[in-house]
Amino acid sequence: NAGVTQTPKFHILKTGQSMTLQCAQDMNHGYLSWYRQDPGMGLRRIHYSVAAGITDKGEVPDGYNVSRSNTEDFPLRLESAAPSQTSVYFCASSYFRILFSNQPQHFGDGTRLSIL
Amino acid sequence: AQKVTQAQTEISVVEKEDVTLDCVYETRDTTYYLFWYKQPPSGELVFLIRRNSFDEQNEISGRYSWNFQKSTSSFNFTITASQVVDSAVYFCAQKTQGGSEKLVFGKGTKLTVNP
Repeated sequence: NAGVTQTPKFHILKTGQSMTLQCAQDMNHGYLSWYRQDPGMGLRRIHYSVAAGITDKGEVPDGYNVSRSNTEDFPLRLESAAPSQTSVYFCASSYFRILFSNQPQHFGDGTRLSIL
Repeated sequence: AQKVTQAQTEISVVEKEDVTLDCVYETRDTTYYLFWYKQPPSGELVFLIRRNSFDEQNEISGRYSWNFQKSTSSFNFTITASQVVDSAVYFCAQKTQGGSEKLVFGKGTKLTVNP
């Protein structure tokens, strides 16, 4: 099925360990972003990318790195995990602005990450 | 700055009741887009509707309807004859044209429909 695929769905890390959350989309969307969802906070954008080779910081980028080597993939890396990064992470994609600003973002199913 | 406020944190209704979820947005832009997403207990985010700032026509889709009022900066969502399957967290979100494609979410309203 076409859409946004996130892996893994669940993971437990120890403080200080590193981890990469994977995001892949097959809709030829230019815009990809990572959000984290925390109770009572809604969704907050971590990093985003408007095209391969271009990334930028969102609202809450500290502790996270991203890369965009092609159109399809947008991995999110935690270099040294902290308990404050326990959250549900969503990857979202959409066509990039100009003609398509009114298009909705399509979300993956989420990755539930716990850091002990 | 953009901001989306969903004042209702949790709502509980009995099946077949009508329920309205409130959404108030703030923006200085003249062109913007409003969205509603549903997050059922399974956790995924499901797109429900988009509304452009220049289109104030209200929309109905089955038991769902949306009331966009620019004068009060509101984009409320009504479920008619609610069903247990409507139980979910509902998010209102806003995006401006151009910029960094930032989608600003409200904090969500948790709707519980009891049988």
